Amino acid sequence: DTAVSQTPKYLVTQMGNDKSIKCEQNLGHDTMYWYKQDSKKFLKIMFSYNNKELIINETVPNRFSPKSPDKAHLNLHINSLELGDSAVYFCASSLDRAPYNEQFFGPGTRLTVL
Amino acid sequence: AQTVTQSQPEMSVQEAETVTLSCTYDTSENNYYLFWYKQPPSRQMILVIRQEAYKQQNATENRFSVNFQKAAKSFSLKISDSQLGDTAMYFCAFMKPGGSNYKLTFGKGTLLTVNP
Repeated sequence: DTAVSQTPKYLVTQMGNDKSIKCEQNLGHDTMYWYKQDSKKFLKIMFSYNNKELIINETVPNRFSPKSPDKAHLNLHINSLELGDSAVYFCASSLDRAPYNEQFFGPGTRLTVL
Repeated sequence: AQTVTQSQPEMSVQEAETVTLSCTYDTSENNYYLFWYKQPPSRQMILVIRQEAYKQQNATENRFSVNFQKAAKSFSLKISDSQLGDTAMYFCAFMKPGGSNYKLTFGKGTLLTVNP
């Protein structure tokens, strides 16, 4: 059973389109995250939710909107896609907000904007 | 803001040998957490090892160990008896607890290649 799953794994789309990436975890964790990994492999936090409440919102364009319908799901919607949005997006989860907890990552979604 | 520096973009090691990946960080905090994550070609991020700053004893997980030097703000990863499956990007990460700062700050990574 996959602990943290993301769909789709690959997404190719045109500039200006709107797209969503879905994330689900079956670990019973309270906290979920979205990270962006750029073409140079640099990984940066975008958002974090704890029990469906937004707790981290980094400097991210407001074209990006996370949504957490329940504790097990954290989706990422991106409006008006731009070339610079091309990256691998990782979802992760941890037991709770405690900093020592391991974050379990999904397999990533490679987004390519043409 | 905390920063994490990995000064070795790429490294290589022969199978069965030992390799050390370096990581330094900048913080004014006294209590924090440090992590090494591994990203193999499959792209999956996997936790390798973690260290709490208030613990003086270096963390160890099987063939992986760290050399944590708090005063020098250094957190290196030693891989003993390297295996082909250790080939991956290795990311050092920092987390400062408290407030809304429950976020991992990553270094830029070191690409480790284990050669047969």
